[in-house]
Amino acid sequence: GAVVSQHPSWVICKSGTSVKIECRSLDFQATTMFWYRQFPKQSLMLMATSNEGSKATYEQGVEKDKFLINHASLTLSTLTVTSAHPEDSSFYICSADARDTSQETQYFGPGTRLLVL
Amino acid sequence: AQKITQTQPGMFVQEKEAVTLDCTYDTSDPSYGLFWYKQPSSGEMIFLIYQGSYDQQNATEGRYSLNFQKARKSANLVISASQLGDSAMYFCAMRGTGSYIPTFGRGTSLIVHP
Repeated sequence: GAVVSQHPSWVICKSGTSVKIECRSLDFQATTMFWYRQFPKQSLMLMATSNEGSKATYEQGVEKDKFLINHASLTLSTLTVTSAHPEDSSFYICSADARDTSQETQYFGPGTRLLVL
Repeated sequence: AQKITQTQPGMFVQEKEAVTLDCTYDTSDPSYGLFWYKQPSSGEMIFLIYQGSYDQQNATEGRYSLNFQKARKSANLVISASQLGDSAMYFCAMRGTGSYIPTFGRGTSLIVHP
C-alpha cells in the first residue's frame, strides 16, 4: 500500500512556542491531505482538508489562525500549531488521498504526539 | 450527510477464534466506499479492507473479510483466527463519491486473550 510519513513523531514544547508537523506521501502524489486530531479513547476529529496549491478548508470550530496548514507540493503538507498551549496537547494525524487507485483509499501517517508544557 | 455507527465499544475474543465487529452506515450518496482501519496502541491508522457499494462480492484480505449487506446498510468486519496482535481499536469509515470527506465511526476496542 501507499506510504505516508509524518514528522516528528513526538514533540514536547513550552507554552507559547510554535510547532510544525510535516506529512509526506512517499510513493504517490496526493492532491488532497487531511489533518485530524484525536483525543484518548476517541475517534478521529477532522480539522481541515488541505489541497495542493490552494488554501485549506477548515472544519467548524477549528481556528485557522491557530492551526496553519500549507500544502506546497503534491507530496508535502504541513501543520503549524502557533503559540501552542497545554490544551493543544493531543495526537495529530494526517492522511493522504491515493485517488489514483480504484479504491480512493486514505492512507495515514504514523501520527504526532504533541505535549505542551 | 453520512453517518457511521459502531455499537460495540469493546469486544473480547479468545485467540484463534473468529470475531465480528459491527458497523452500520447511512448515506444519501448512490455510490460510496466503506473502509476498516486498525489503530494499535502506537496510534498509527492501518488500512485493512475496502468495499465499494457496487462490488458484487464481499471484500477479503487475508484473515479480514467484510460482510457487506447493502439492504441493511451494514459493513461488518470479520477477523478469522484472531491473534494477540489483533488487539487494537478498529474504526469503520465511509466515503461517498459525492463527498471526498470521510466519516469515521467511534471505534471498537478489541482485546484478544490467550
